Amino acid sequence: GQNIDQPTEMTATEGAIVQINCTYQTSGFNGLFWYQQHAGEAPTFLSYNVLDGLEEKGRFSSFLSRSKGYSYLLLKELQMKDSASYLCAVWGSGGGNKLTFGTGTQLKVEL
Amino acid sequence: GAGVSQSPSNKVTEKGKDVELRCDPISGHTALYWYRQSLGQGLEFLIYFQGNSAPDKSGLPSDRFSAERTGGSVSTLTIQRTQQEDSAVYLCASNRIGQGGYNEQFFGPGTRLTVL
Repeated sequence: GQNIDQPTEMTATEGAIVQINCTYQTSGFNGLFWYQQHAGEAPTFLSYNVLDGLEEKGRFSSFLSRSKGYSYLLLKELQMKDSASYLCAVWGSGGGNKLTFGTGTQLKVEL
Repeated sequence: GAGVSQSPSNKVTEKGKDVELRCDPISGHTALYWYRQSLGQGLEFLIYFQGNSAPDKSGLPSDRFSAERTGGSVSTLTIQRTQQEDSAVYLCASNRIGQGGYNEQFFGPGTRLTVL
């Protein structure tokens, strides 16, 4: 089967750094996506990794290790508006072009 | 259009009734996906259309669910004889496979379905 695991909840302080981990065990892999989803809204794209290593984009960075089936999303200089659910998704899990999502990590940023 | 649109935004129905949910993908996008998100859950893949190829229906939870895509553009997801467990947000996404190097999917705002 396809298995994608993320922590359910995390809490962090405004201005701090937080790392959200994602581990996966899938029969196919064409890349890993991170999406942000605010309550009641559609998911929006954050990052895509297909090769091992760190991809940096402003305050957000994403890391991938294919051999370990592991990714993380790093958020720096946290802002209150970063409070949202962060979804890890594998492209090509089980073959084909669909995305298979984890259950998401609910991040709460506090003062 | 500028983005993926879905209608209705909210739908309340009675158990046993049929419902139709509509998705208008971004113009030019050849791939269209339907997902379901239950309260507090991740997104669950339902069905995928790519051009004129046979759709990937592997995520449809039962034969009460069906979808079609007319003219390679608009898609309709139909749920027959709705059950309370069908209550969820139904999200549509589209992208242009084969261009841009990767498979970023653009999501619509979703249809919140409530089955009483």
